[in-house]
Amino acid sequence: QVQLQESGPGLVKPAQTLSLTCSVSGGSISSRGRYWSWIRQLPGKGLEWLGFISYGGTTYYNPSLRSRVTISVDTSQNQFSLKLTSVTEADTAVYYCARDRQDSGTHFGMDVWGQGTSVTVSS
Amino acid sequence: DIQMTQSPSSLSASVGDRVSVTCRASQPIGNFLNWYQHKPGKAPKLLIYAASRLQTGVPSGFSGSGSGTDFTLTISSLQPEDFATYYCQQSYNTPYTLGQGTKLDIK
Repeated sequence: QVQLQESGPGLVKPAQTLSLTCSVSGGSISSRGRYWSWIRQLPGKGLEWLGFISYGGTTYYNPSLRSRVTISVDTSQNQFSLKLTSVTEADTAVYYCARDRQDSGTHFGMDVWGQGTSVTVSS
Repeated sequence: DIQMTQSPSSLSASVGDRVSVTCRASQPIGNFLNWYQHKPGKAPKLLIYAASRLQTGVPSGFSGSGSGTDFTLTISSLQPEDFATYYCQQSYNTPYTLGQGTKLDIK
């Protein structure tokens, strides 16, 4: 079965770029109908959807992040990545990667999640 | 963006109770509505997709209903492991917005 694992630095300085990777095991990242997503939870707050990259490479981002976010995929490594530029303390959060499935007009939801990785933005 | 509003924001209940959480979308979203359970320190878990379809492996005590703008998650008989925060999410339009969450705790 598909499993996801986030990796990346737990501490990032303000104004720098937050970079996280999600490794996919048990299935191909190029499988049709798969959308590879990033979600975060700010301290004491709810879940925030950041965006996804589709199996075909199409990306959609949350406009609330303006132009700071980029999601990319490395099919050779079977992993996808999140980059968030110009971070501030307000980007301190637990970041999750997840698999979203869509097929024939049905959206199956985010059915597989990584365990989450905590990122603190601080000097 | 489509706004998702859950009610209540918090709920106290006892083991064995039947509880419902509602979610309202700011515009019609058909049945493009998912429900997640989230416990502290754990990854969120998909419970219901397409408004009423039970995710594989989720106990049958969970059910979802609704379409258009109004949706409900019902737990028929609360178990100790059900105390958590619940989120709805619309997947009709990007960005796929989530509700603010409903925290269910033990009375």
